[in-house]
Amino acid sequence: AQKVTQAQTEISVVEKEDVTLDCVYETRDTTYYLFWYKQPPSGELVFLIRRNSFDEQNEISGRYSWNFQKSTSSFNFTITASQVVDSAVYFCALILKANSKLTFGKGITLSVRP
Amino acid sequence: DTAVSQTPKYLVTQMGNDKSIKCEQNLGHDTMYWYKQDSKKFLKIMFSYNNKELIINETVPNRFSPKSPDKAHLNLHINSLELGDSAVYFCASSLRAGGHGYTFGSGTRLTVV
Repeated sequence: AQKVTQAQTEISVVEKEDVTLDCVYETRDTTYYLFWYKQPPSGELVFLIRRNSFDEQNEISGRYSWNFQKSTSSFNFTITASQVVDSAVYFCALILKANSKLTFGKGITLSVRP
Repeated sequence: DTAVSQTPKYLVTQMGNDKSIKCEQNLGHDTMYWYKQDSKKFLKIMFSYNNKELIINETVPNRFSPKSPDKAHLNLHINSLELGDSAVYFCASSLRAGGHGYTFGSGTRLTVV
């Protein structure tokens, strides 16, 4: 079984604030992959990052950073100095190497106010 | 060129009608998927095909029938549409089954009236 929990449902911040989106996953498999997708108001799903279960290095890409901790089964996403264009729904997702099913969390709606 | 293209982008139809949504990918991927996003934004897999073979068939009413004429195409046919079928349907593809990232189409918003 595989499950992704995004406990936060809606977050509202003022521009330039930092914000962290939480993601907790469940699986008994040892080989799996974690993802974050962004869904802006226009509706498309935009790939942000893929991380495999053997690579716990944190990753930074511009204002975005990800913290993967297997000990707590978490894969959190931080946006530094948020901007209005970051307003979107953000999904964390999990796929096992053993199957093809990408399982999504329920998503977090982020609103960044000017 | 769009990597994963779905048509139509919007579909409004009456209850009881039959409709199809088409999906094509030009990435050379082996595996394709259909996902449904409901009004609460929850994304759930419906079907997956790997090289034209059905590999995932979630608990979906049998009014929904996927068809994959070749590995670049995966169409979704829906019979006897119901109000509850209103949703956004996303097509996606991945290089192979198992662990690879997905590339999603832009979605088809289906409204049943």
